[in-house]
Amino acid sequence: DTAVSQTPKYLVTQMGNDKSIKCEQNLGHDTMYWYKQDSKKFLKIMFSYNNKELIINETVPNRFSPKSPDKAHLNLHINSLELGDSAVYFCASSRNTGELFFGEGSRLTVL
Amino acid sequence: GESVGLHLPTLSVQEGDNSIINCAYSNSASDYFIWYKQESGKGPQFIIDIRSNMDKRQGQRVTVLLNKTVKHLSLQIAATQPGDSAVYFCALGASGTYKYIFGTGTRLKVLA
Repeated sequence: DTAVSQTPKYLVTQMGNDKSIKCEQNLGHDTMYWYKQDSKKFLKIMFSYNNKELIINETVPNRFSPKSPDKAHLNLHINSLELGDSAVYFCASSRNTGELFFGEGSRLTVL
Repeated sequence: GESVGLHLPTLSVQEGDNSIINCAYSNSASDYFIWYKQESGKGPQFIIDIRSNMDKRQGQRVTVLLNKTVKHLSLQIAATQPGDSAVYFCALGASGTYKYIFGTGTRLKVLA
């Protein structure tokens, strides 16, 4: 019944590794997002996809590559992880430009 | 550039009192405003929203006020309860865009 689900919930990895976070929404929304929340709780948009098309890319390093195989899924792959990538990553979805529905977050720790 | 700020990073309120959380913004193109509540270990949850053609909207125990003249938004929580303890964010959107800018957040602590 979870509306926006993301996996894994926790991810601990070494610098230089590559990792992926997956997101799925069952709300029938057209738009999906990735947000990054830092240790000070600041939420910053990274990417947005509408109907599988990239519409927002907020000057995120190209080590981050989102992929949307269909409207219900938006995955985030991160190459060559750095210490500064440690954060909580939130997936969200919306119907057009309505309110965002967030997942529970994926806490990434880079050692 | 755009900026969204909050006047108080932490707000402590006695249980049963009313809480007011403020948000100032600078982007005149913003016409959709949302308040979110984030509890520890969870994702932000929608509380209430308001569009720029309104200046007040009420929900259950919550009221959002919008003053477009001074670019100020507030969330009022009536009879604050321990379950209201969380971090509250304002978020701004603009018509025709999918970009929502979040404020820095206010932590609300409810004292018993």
